[in-house]
Amino acid sequence: DAGVIQSPRHEVTEMGQEVTLRCKPISGHDYLFWYRQTMMRGLELLIYFNNNVPIDDSGMPEDRFSAKMPNASFSTLKIQPSEPRDSAVYFCASSPGRSPLHFGNGTRLTVT
Amino acid sequence: AQKVTQAQTEISVVEKEDVTLDCVYETRDTTYYLFWYKQPPSGELVFLIRRNSFDEQNEISGRYSWNFQKSTSSFNFTITASQVVDSAVYFCALSPLRGGAQKLVFGQGTRLTINP
Repeated sequence: DAGVIQSPRHEVTEMGQEVTLRCKPISGHDYLFWYRQTMMRGLELLIYFNNNVPIDDSGMPEDRFSAKMPNASFSTLKIQPSEPRDSAVYFCASSPGRSPLHFGNGTRLTVT
Repeated sequence: AQKVTQAQTEISVVEKEDVTLDCVYETRDTTYYLFWYKQPPSGELVFLIRRNSFDEQNEISGRYSWNFQKSTSSFNFTITASQVVDSAVYFCALSPLRGGAQKLVFGQGTRLTINP
């Protein structure tokens, strides 16, 4: 079991650029979550999917953020345009039903 | 609204000491899950334990133990005979039991440093 795989591990970009973060959940897991970790706000849920369908995106900070899950093995979180305040570690997690979440190693995003 | 409070921002102890990490939660749900996750210096989040609100039995796993007290809305975590490898940030989290997804609400974390 390879675990939840996120790419890239680190991303440095300039303000205004588009950023795409990627996630491959554990095979067979029907829930996928995107979390963001910052010093100020801690770990906060951005959006989650069930069977590839977005269920709750109330945590997405603004319209610059969008997430998709085109199939059961892939999800993206896109920020366009990026701003310095988007700098954070973004975690993807998956779970089979109500079982505990398995987190990926995160993507550290720096927007300059 | 749900809230998790970890009042201890940082704790530093010497190896082999016992240490307890405090967690207090607020929720209007009558049924819920409580969790502890570990974030070592490498950055990943590692699941440690999940308890549901029906079960107030304390749990022990090796050097780790958890004390769940519904009366005080607390779910404390104790490491016995701490080791340097226990150094990490520990997060307590809460999610409602209803629904299929576990929407975790995390505390701010406690940074634990175990000194040799």
